[in-house]
Amino acid sequence: EAGVTQSPTHLIKTRGQQATLRCSPISGHTSVYWYQQALGLGLQFLLWYDEGEERNRGNFPPRFSGRQFPNYSSELNVNALELEDSALYLCASSQRRLQGGRNQPQHFGDGTRLSIL
Amino acid sequence: GENVEQHPSTLSVQEGDSAVIKCTYSDSASNYFPWYKQELGKRPQLIIDIRSNVGEKKDQRIAVTLNKTAKHFSLHITETQPEDSAVYFCAATDRTGTASKLTFGTGTRLQVTL
Repeated sequence: EAGVTQSPTHLIKTRGQQATLRCSPISGHTSVYWYQQALGLGLQFLLWYDEGEERNRGNFPPRFSGRQFPNYSSELNVNALELEDSALYLCASSQRRLQGGRNQPQHFGDGTRLSIL
Repeated sequence: GENVEQHPSTLSVQEGDSAVIKCTYSDSASNYFPWYKQELGKRPQLIIDIRSNVGEKKDQRIAVTLNKTAKHFSLHITETQPEDSAVYFCAATDRTGTASKLTFGTGTRLQVTL
């Protein structure tokens, strides 16, 4: 079974540019989560998508946005890049958690390392 | 929202000894607590998780305990080996209706020395 795949592996941008990161979930998983991991820090929740809709959002500015496609893959877009956006961006996927149901384990991809010059 | 604190930030043990990492959470409604292991340059890997209806769970050399009253949970690794060296993250759910996300601790860097 293929795991969560992310592309590109590395992305170098300059301040003010826009970045697009991509994620393909594990087959059968409908929920996709995005996290930011700055150097030496923990994982900060960014966004959660399920069935094409944004379900929850972390404490990040609106220039962080994304979407989920009908095949459950997802894009994270970061506009007006700033130096502090340099980080490893991790995508995770899980099976859908039904209302009132059990939380499903999240499985991570290898991440996209975004460097802002 | 949920707040998760993790201690210690670094832990060094000799091969064969046990290692314990502790986390506390703030939201009494949280009901799912996974642990992830992240080796240098690699993805976080789920190693064990526990739900709030269970007090302890074991998987070979790894165990997790949960104290709902005190709102803390711990990871126990016995008979540590060099390949256990990594950063370990605890997490807890942050539930808002049907939407839940994981809030992570700040990580513990475990070093197993020979």
